[in-house]
Amino acid sequence: DVKVTQSSRYLVKRTGEKVFLECVQDMDHENMFWYRQDPGLGLRLIYFSYDVKMKEKGDIPEGYSVSREKKERFSLILESASTNQTSMYLCASSFLGSGGSVAQYFGPGTRLLVL
Amino acid sequence: AQTVTQSQPEMSVQEAETVTLSCTYDTSESDYYLFWYKQPPSRQMILVIRQEAYKQQNATENRFSVNFQKAAKSFSLKISDSQLGDAAMYFCAYRSYPYLGGGADGLTFGKGTHLIIQP
Repeated sequence: DVKVTQSSRYLVKRTGEKVFLECVQDMDHENMFWYRQDPGLGLRLIYFSYDVKMKEKGDIPEGYSVSREKKERFSLILESASTNQTSMYLCASSFLGSGGSVAQYFGPGTRLLVL
Repeated sequence: AQTVTQSQPEMSVQEAETVTLSCTYDTSESDYYLFWYKQPPSRQMILVIRQEAYKQQNATENRFSVNFQKAAKSFSLKISDSQLGDAAMYFCAYRSYPYLGGGADGLTFGKGTHLIIQP
């Protein structure tokens, strides 16, 4: 089974703190993604990466950055956390290709509260 | 840009009955993928079913099946013999076709339908 893990299920941070959310996948997937999920808004794509050291902006990249130093690990960074970044963050991964392999597999999510 | 619309914020069904969740999408592309994901209260997003736009045959996975109407840009999910474990948020999602060298594309999600199963 595909396994995508996220470093924390719950996180509480203060405004202005630098926050790191870590994601690891064990299926040798090329693609990795970060989404945020808010009630009534569904999931929105923040950033994605299709290779080590490669990153692309998604729909809502403002206030976030990412890092991918190894194929299996994709980090989301909040440089200076703000209260409007309180949300559920979901990491996902998939193969680079076509057919059924384009399906994304998700981690359990990190619920971040910024005070 | 593509958009995905789920017009039913909440649906309720009796256990063992059949329920259909609606999804429409807007795209100018001819090749793409559609997905239904399930997110139970534990929050882990699980892939339920996928459909390739170039396939006319509707996808099925056990009790889950889709009605894919490409011309109408409609992609509904039918759950037969509903079970208590089917209670969850269901998200419809769209992905562009990954042409060679196209890199990765994220999924575009609808806002979800909360499915309640009445015992």
